Amino acid sequence: AQSVTQLGSHVSVSEGALVLLRCNYSSSVPPYLFWYVQYPNQGLQLLLKYTTGATLVKGINGFEAEFKKSETSFHLTKPSAHMSDAAEYFCAVSEAAGNKLTFGGGTRVLVKP
Amino acid sequence: DAGITQSPRHKVTETGTPVTLRCHQTENHRYMYWYRQDPGHGLRLIHYSYGVKDTDKGEVSDGYSVSRSKTEDFLLTLESATSSQTSVYFCAVLGSYNEQFFGPGTRLTVL
Repeated sequence: AQSVTQLGSHVSVSEGALVLLRCNYSSSVPPYLFWYVQYPNQGLQLLLKYTTGATLVKGINGFEAEFKKSETSFHLTKPSAHMSDAAEYFCAVSEAAGNKLTFGGGTRVLVKP
Repeated sequence: DAGITQSPRHKVTETGTPVTLRCHQTENHRYMYWYRQDPGHGLRLIHYSYGVKDTDKGEVSDGYSVSRSKTEDFLLTLESATSSQTSVYFCAVLGSYNEQFFGPGTRLTVL
């Protein structure tokens, strides 16, 4: 069975500082990997995804993530945090096209002025 | 937003009553999903559908049933609601590039 671990349920960063959210997964086959963001009282919005090809993936709002197969990781980064980045972020994995997503527990990001 | 709406958006009900949540999509997506979101658990799959009248269970399907009689509608039913089913429920559809798009959610409280 797949599993996704997000290290740290809460992360606090200063405005302008690096945002680093960690995601590790277990999967028996090459995975499809996703990061979603959820703002308060809203649904989930896709930030970026990895399916095949380039392992460094760029998404919306200045975020990017790198797929490292040897480390079974898909960490999310943004060089400079903005107040609008305050939200909850979810890492997810699926093992095949159209297959169900397995989510991590989420990381809530607080941005301090 | 992939044309997804959920109804109702909020519901309060009592233990033992039946509840039906509706997901409606306007873009003819074949795959649809129901998830529940609880603190610390992320989202967990309840049921999913891969076509009209074709459904399958997810990891937390006990106490839930689904139906899909039309491409655009995917219904989630709690036959007899329990307090453990208090949660936020999200519907999703599968896009053209293997990504899932989510609806706005339904907040359900079972007293």
